[in-house]
Amino acid sequence: IQMTQSPSLLSASVGDRVTLSCKAGQNINNYLAWYQQKLGEAPKLLIYNANSLQTGIPSRFSGSGSGTDFTLTISSLQPEDVATYFCQQYNSWTTFGSGTKLEIK
Amino acid sequence: EVQLVESGGGLVQPGRSLKLSCAASGFTFSNYGMAWVRQTPTKGLEWVASISTGGGNTYYRDSVKGRFTISRDNAKNTQYLQMDSLRSEDTATYYCARHSTTGIPLFAYWGQGTLVTVSS
Repeated sequence: IQMTQSPSLLSASVGDRVTLSCKAGQNINNYLAWYQQKLGEAPKLLIYNANSLQTGIPSRFSGSGSGTDFTLTISSLQPEDVATYFCQQYNSWTTFGSGTKLEIK
Repeated sequence: EVQLVESGGGLVQPGRSLKLSCAASGFTFSNYGMAWVRQTPTKGLEWVASISTGGGNTYYRDSVKGRFTISRDNAKNTQYLQMDSLRSEDTATYYCARHSTTGIPLFAYWGQGTLVTVSS
């Protein structure tokens, strides 16, 4: 299943509400995860089942969507949120999106 | 604390072999399916292979079938990836990752990665 993320690069200011998009090529029944990857580090699981927050992840991160269209929202962007964000479907085995690089304006 | 530590990466010529290891600690290794996921700047993240808790079931992406072999030793809390007939397109950082408690390929724990470079 093809996963398409947009935009590929996003620049925002500290404190902004940020929205990242992920579209699946077919219905994935909400089996959608979001990962954060900082430079030189492994990916970190943020959200699973489209809207469930992984333990230890700040509440400013939230996920929404269903079927084929999903969104990761950061309610108030912090400097430490600079990273690349990947979505992953695990409805039909698994595939990852190509990522959105988030930077501070 | 869950820890996954990969080793075995390096520079290898096309057509040669390399074996990666992933040492696990901080959890009951034999209770979890395990996976290898690789990453390149151009292709991004790609799931490579997975293995069931007992090692009886293995799964591979099409591009590595017949060339890569995933295995595990539950007594040593270690999984492996034997990579044969390596190609330049296998160049990537390879991550070891743990499946969820239900066995699905949802990865809450990752190793730090090991770089494999296939080049003459």
